[in-house]
Amino acid sequence: QQQVRQSPQSLTVWEGETAILNCSYENSAFDYFPWYQQFPGEGPALLIAIRSVSDKKEDGGFTIFFNKREKNLSLHIKDSQPGDSATYFCAASGGGRALIFGTGTTVSVSP
Amino acid sequence: DPKIIQKPKYLVAVTGSEKILICEQYLGHNAMYWYRQSAKKPLEFMFSYSYQKLMDNQTASSRFQPQSSKKNHLDLQITALKPDDSATYFCASSQDWGSYEQYFGPGTRLTVL
Repeated sequence: QQQVRQSPQSLTVWEGETAILNCSYENSAFDYFPWYQQFPGEGPALLIAIRSVSDKKEDGGFTIFFNKREKNLSLHIKDSQPGDSATYFCAASGGGRALIFGTGTTVSVSP
Repeated sequence: DPKIIQKPKYLVAVTGSEKILICEQYLGHNAMYWYRQSAKKPLEFMFSYSYQKLMDNQTASSRFQPQSSKKNHLDLQITALKPDDSATYFCASSQDWGSYEQYFGPGTRLTVL
């Protein structure tokens, strides 16, 4: 049973557009939701994260919108650039322990 | 300079053999983890260690054994290798066990023939 779900599986946007990646979870005990960015051949890099007490977190061109009641969140990549082309993983944990990952969204930004 | 070092980058093994994956972190963290990423499954938590003590084990098989000789080292020994063990294995660390931010190494890609 997949505890963290992501959609879409892949996404193509034009340079300058906003990419929107979705994530949902099942376990109400999850209280921390990081997004990781992964390039081919590299490890996941922590991009931005939110705690369940907040409903929005911004960092540069990346914004997380969090809806605790609906158990979902989204990552918005504003003004997407070709260098943002990567796979993005949503993850969740409860009490700062094991991270449970979604299956990822592969983003392609076309110039 | 890389803060989390994993060696080797690539590893090829034959079925039934044993391999050790190396991980060292230079972030001054007290907790370390192993995750696995395969084509069939998302990134999957395996183990967590805090001050060289096992805290969580989500790996059903005893063929996977973490080894911690120093606080900043957490190696992974895999015995009786199977083709299904083929995956990229990532080491991660956090300031303390229970700290939220986990940082990942570059991974070791294991192929079992």
